[in-house]
Amino acid sequence: EDQVTQSPEALRLQEGESSSLNCSYTVSGLRGLFWYRQDPGKGPEFLFTLYSAGEEKEKERLKATLTKKESFLHITAPKPEDSATYLCAVRTQGGSEKLVFGKGTKLTVNP
Amino acid sequence: NAGVTQTPKFRVLKTGQSMTLLCAQDMNHEYMYWYRQDPGMGLRLIHYSVGEGTTAKGEVPDGYNVSRLKKQNFLLGLESAAPSQTSVYFCASSYFYEQYFGPGTRLTVT
Repeated sequence: EDQVTQSPEALRLQEGESSSLNCSYTVSGLRGLFWYRQDPGKGPEFLFTLYSAGEEKEKERLKATLTKKESFLHITAPKPEDSATYLCAVRTQGGSEKLVFGKGTKLTVNP
Repeated sequence: NAGVTQTPKFRVLKTGQSMTLLCAQDMNHEYMYWYRQDPGMGLRLIHYSVGEGTTAKGEVPDGYNVSRLKKQNFLLGLESAAPSQTSVYFCASSYFYEQYFGPGTRLTVT
């Protein structure tokens, strides 16, 4: 069974304190790994797609990387507005157009 | 472009009542999805559609029905609501792999 595990469940940082969120996966053939940001009371917002090990994507203070077993979302010098829940999802060979989501990491950045 | 919109934003039902949630997208996407999000459970796929006139079951389809009569609309129906269906419901659409989500409907069943 395809599984996606995100850690930690919650993370508190001070403004400017860089860190990383982890998304590990056990799937039958990865066909894409996706990162989303979700603010309270809103729908998930698409951030990145990664397709192969070694691939990296960047957007402002966020950088996503992918290995054969996990993905990291690196947050450099975060600001309070980066506070949100970050979701990871995978698309697999057997899953067609479906995504399997992790439970998310709730990030809080204190000023 | 409005993107993905959902109607209504909030709803309270009594056990046994029925209702329909409407999802609309203006991006000409082929694929549309319905998810529910519960604390500690993450996003779970209820039903999805790969094109107009098609539907398929997701991870948690029991108690729900869907229809995709028009490409831009995807309806989620609850025939006889149960307290276990209290949740936040999200609709999403995609052209290829990246899914774009609506703002959600918060449903409470008492």
